[in-house]
Amino acid sequence: SSELTQDPAVSVALGQTVRITCQGDSLRSYYASWYQQKPGQAPVLVIYGKNNRPSGIPDRFSGSSSGNTASLTITGAQAEDEADYYCNSRDSSGNHLYVFGTGTKVTVL
Amino acid sequence: EVQLVQSGAEVKKPGESLRISCKGSGYSFTSYWISWVRQMPGKGLEWMGRIDPSDSYTNYSPSFQGHVTISADKSISTAYLQWSSLKASDTAMYYCATEIAAAGNDAFDIWGQGTMVTVSS
Repeated sequence: SSELTQDPAVSVALGQTVRITCQGDSLRSYYASWYQQKPGQAPVLVIYGKNNRPSGIPDRFSGSSSGNTASLTITGAQAEDEADYYCNSRDSSGNHLYVFGTGTKVTVL
Repeated sequence: EVQLVQSGAEVKKPGESLRISCKGSGYSFTSYWISWVRQMPGKGLEWMGRIDPSDSYTNYSPSFQGHVTISADKSISTAYLQWSSLKASDTAMYYCATEIAAAGNDAFDIWGQGTMVTVSS
């Protein structure tokens, strides 16, 4: 199975923009989905497909992709966006398996 | 309401067997694959495998193949994750997840609340 690599931690000032990246060979073929996880809670899907937000997810969350890198951008970060974020995609085996990224801790200052 | 409800926390000893469950409601259970995800204490998410509840066809991550078994009983809309011989390293939170509104997009938009499994002598 392939790997998806994320920066361990990033920080952003309240109201500013932060981009979280996810790198992996499988991203050349498949879109990433992105999950927000707050302490003690189950993950929540925030972005999927080319750039789709599930119902209830604020429009300050957006996704993009280029080559082997997928990105999640939070434009105008809020205090409640402080959380761990994980990307996920199919792996490159062709067997319809999935893999999560290593995770990024976002701190809102 | 579409939801996945998991069974409660478990405390087991090494070598014991265990089966945890994930019950779907509010949607057509047999229409969407269910995945299992592990999260060890203080660590990240790991995709373990998935099952098609309509025919119980499974895919496993190579990291978990042979260590766990995923099954389903479509008559009661429930998926299972089981171990035949637990190890201390199986201590983790386990989530089930599926894709409903995001179906076809390789994304999990519905998650269970998680089941904490603690294995200790």
